[in-house]
Amino acid sequence: EVQLVQSGGGLVQPGGSLRLSCVASGLTFSSYEMNWVRQAPGKGLEWVSYITSTGSTIYYAASVKGRFTISRDNAKNSLYLQMNSLRAEDTGVYYCARSHDSGGYPLDYWGQGTLVTVSS
Amino acid sequence: QSVLTQPPSVSGAPGQRVTISCTGSSSNIGTGYSVHWYQHLPGTAPKLLIYGDTNRPSGVPDRFSGSRSGTSASLAITGLQAEDEADYYCQSYDISLSAYVLFGGGTKLTVL
Repeated sequence: EVQLVQSGGGLVQPGGSLRLSCVASGLTFSSYEMNWVRQAPGKGLEWVSYITSTGSTIYYAASVKGRFTISRDNAKNSLYLQMNSLRAEDTGVYYCARSHDSGGYPLDYWGQGTLVTVSS
Repeated sequence: QSVLTQPPSVSGAPGQRVTISCTGSSSNIGTGYSVHWYQHLPGTAPKLLIYGDTNRPSGVPDRFSGSRSGTSASLAITGLQAEDEADYYCQSYDISLSAYVLFGGGTKLTVL
């Protein structure tokens, strides 16, 4: 069974930093592209970042580019999101999600979500 | 304002059929990128409902179906059940790279 288990959320002051982790099991992690998706309170889903299986190609949403860094450690079956210069508008639940490798590349498995609160 | 436009809400009585539209443009759905649909219940992770425009993952009831035409796609739910009450999101991709993955704004389905 594929599982994505997240950790690392919490309360942080504006301008602060936080690192989210997502540990995968039940799949050959190194074969899959991965994503981070977030949902602000009362808002819809917003894609944040994408990384290829080897980490060679990375994309970011314009709202986080230059502040967030996605990375992965395939030896540890882990995906990360380093979030710097956090703003109140970064508050929300963050999900890691796997891109399926066919069928138009849907996000087929999701982590349980972790809450990030940016507030003074 | 999302690049993929969905109605904010739809509703229907148990047993009825509802559809949720997802309107894009020539830089996303119109290029031929697949459209996927997700069901999101509060406090849970989103669930893949339809992938590749029309395909259902294993375990998704055939009451759920997807279609696409031109720059738009639709999700249809027949035989509405109370448990279908949730938020539904369409998702595609964009060649502009301003947002690699695009989500629609989401549609709240209320079962009356």
